Amino acid sequence: DTGVSQNPRHKITKRGQNVTFRCDPISEHNRLYWYRQTLGQGPEFLTYFQNEAQLEKSRLLSDRFSAERPKGSFSTLEIQRTEQGDSAMYLCASSLGALEAFFGQGTRLTVV
Amino acid sequence: KQEVTQIPAALSVPEGENLVLNCSFTDSAIYNLQWFRQDPGKGLTSLLLIQSSQREQTSGRLNASLDKSSGRSTLYIAASQPGDSATYLCAVGGGSNYKLTFGKGTLLTVNP
Repeated sequence: DTGVSQNPRHKITKRGQNVTFRCDPISEHNRLYWYRQTLGQGPEFLTYFQNEAQLEKSRLLSDRFSAERPKGSFSTLEIQRTEQGDSAMYLCASSLGALEAFFGQGTRLTVV
Repeated sequence: KQEVTQIPAALSVPEGENLVLNCSFTDSAIYNLQWFRQDPGKGLTSLLLIQSSQREQTSGRLNASLDKSSGRSTLYIAASQPGDSATYLCAVGGGSNYKLTFGKGTLLTVNP
């Protein structure tokens, strides 16, 4: 098991472009979470999947954000019409039930 | 709404010193509490998980305690080393989806 994998590690995009990030969780983990972290802050919850079902979305997740987890495996997070305020580290985590959460290395997004 | 506070925000100590990082949370209805380490520009590494029914957990030079009724946790690091320099994040898991609510972290610097 190689842990939680996120791609790409870094993404620089122009304002207004769409971007998509991918997260591959630990294979047997049924729960998958996306968080966003800005400089000097702790990560903030964005959305949660149990298997393929998206069960909770934060109010931070505007209409420009969409996430999927087809077949309960990998997950994608898409941001449409990016804004400078979207610049952040996007972190993915997985867990089995209420057990320990494991995080990936994150995707650093810079919107210019 | 759960709020997590970490004190101090930054700490600088000489190598070999024992130290304590503090975490407090406002809602005692938690499932677990997790301590993470984050190196600059990197993802989160899980250090210790304490379930709500537990009082403490130990791993090597690290010991974490939990007092759920008073809404407090401490992370004790023994015999600190320069390699321990990082940001330490406390997160509480709660709600039906066990999502984590994070503090802003404590930036630890261990000087050789």
